[in-house]
Amino acid sequence: EVQLVESGGGLVQPGGSLRLSCSASGFTFSSYPMHWVRQAPGKGLEYVSAISGNGGSTYYADSVKGRFTISRDNSKNTLYLQVSSLRADDTAVYYCVKGNGWGNWGQGTLVTVSS
Amino acid sequence: QAVVTQEPSLTVSPGGTVTLTCGSSTGAVTSGHYPYWFQQKPGQAPRTLIYDTSNKHSWTPARFSGSLLGGKAALTLSGAQPEDEAEYYCLLSYSGAPAVFGGGTQLTVL
Repeated sequence: EVQLVESGGGLVQPGGSLRLSCSASGFTFSSYPMHWVRQAPGKGLEYVSAISGNGGSTYYADSVKGRFTISRDNSKNTLYLQVSSLRADDTAVYYCVKGNGWGNWGQGTLVTVSS
Repeated sequence: QAVVTQEPSLTVSPGGTVTLTCGSSTGAVTSGHYPYWFQQKPGQAPRTLIYDTSNKHSWTPARFSGSLLGGKAALTLSGAQPEDEAEYYCLLSYSGAPAVFGGGTQLTVL
């Protein structure tokens, strides 16, 4: 059974940083691109970032480019999102999603940016 | 970055048929945009219904189908059930750029 479990969210002050993690199991992690998607409270889905299976290619939404960094450790079956220079409008639930069909979503981790 | 547009809200009668659409500010939506459709109910993570225009996952009810229609991606629900009341999002991919979600369609079954 495929499982994606996000962690690392929490309350952070504006300008602060966090590292979000997504632990994957039940599939050959290195064979799949992975995505991060976020959803602000009461708002729609926003595509954040993607990474290829070997980590060689990455994509970022304009809203996070230069502030967020996606990475993966295929030996640990774990996806990461380093979020920095956080702003209030980064407050959201962050989901990781398995690529190629987007068949599996994690339950999300909440990041709250507030002083 | 492209803008992806969806109807903000639609209503369908139980047993009825409704089509949700997904347009792109860059022009006609094609299979090369690899359209996806997601369903999200309150308090839950999204669930993927359709990928690559018309492909279904094993859990996608047969009453949902995806297609291209009039230059847009379309999600058709035939025989609506009360449990289909939810928010529906589409996602389009753009070559060399991040994918973009539509703003979502709130579907009411009434």
